[in-house]
Amino acid sequence: GAGVSQSPSNKVTEKGKDVELRCDPISGHTALYWYRQSLGQGLEFLIYFQGNSAPDKSGLPSDRFSAERTGGSVSTLTIQRTQQEDSAVYLCASSSGTGINEQYFGPGTRLTVT
Amino acid sequence: AQSVAQPEDQVNVAEGNPLTVKCTYSVSGNPYLFWYVQYPNRGLQFLLKYITGDNLVKGSYGFEAEFNKSQTSFHLKKPSALVSDSALYFCAYNSGNTPLVFGKGTRLSVIA
Repeated sequence: GAGVSQSPSNKVTEKGKDVELRCDPISGHTALYWYRQSLGQGLEFLIYFQGNSAPDKSGLPSDRFSAERTGGSVSTLTIQRTQQEDSAVYLCASSSGTGINEQYFGPGTRLTVT
Repeated sequence: AQSVAQPEDQVNVAEGNPLTVKCTYSVSGNPYLFWYVQYPNRGLQFLLKYITGDNLVKGSYGFEAEFNKSQTSFHLKKPSALVSDSALYFCAYNSGNTPLVFGKGTRLSVIA
């Protein structure tokens, strides 16, 4: 079946611009996660959605970052006024949300801020 | 603080030899431990997980891991390495359906 998909695969933007990154989770998965992978910081959690509950935003590095999940499916991560330190690979993952289940990752969006 | 540690940045092994990628954990309660692999320019792929029960967990691509409570370790192993196993390996834990906390990763290089 279809896995987690993300778009775009690559995004180059100028400092100060806003960007939107999209994630399509596996159908039926109620839990959705955003992570960031960068050279200096490794893999770090950003935000987590579980069903209709309020999202866990504890990993967002600043108020320039936000995310929403519409209809319990597709999610968009928005970065406002991008900075060069935002350059990283942004990974989305989903899981079935019940029990102790592995998370399935998308291929990621490579963001470069110039 | 709760964490997982991967003490080796790089592991080199000859093709056909056994491989071990190390992971230790510092987690209160019962840890849920995972191994993921990342091939170049790809997302993370799940290999295996330990929740409870048998300490030896078998996963994808012939990999296995042994949960050792006394040594607080969860090392990844494979009896015979392939060149195609060369990748970045991450150990991780969570507390159920919560965000994963990752180790810093270990780059495995299998040499023909």
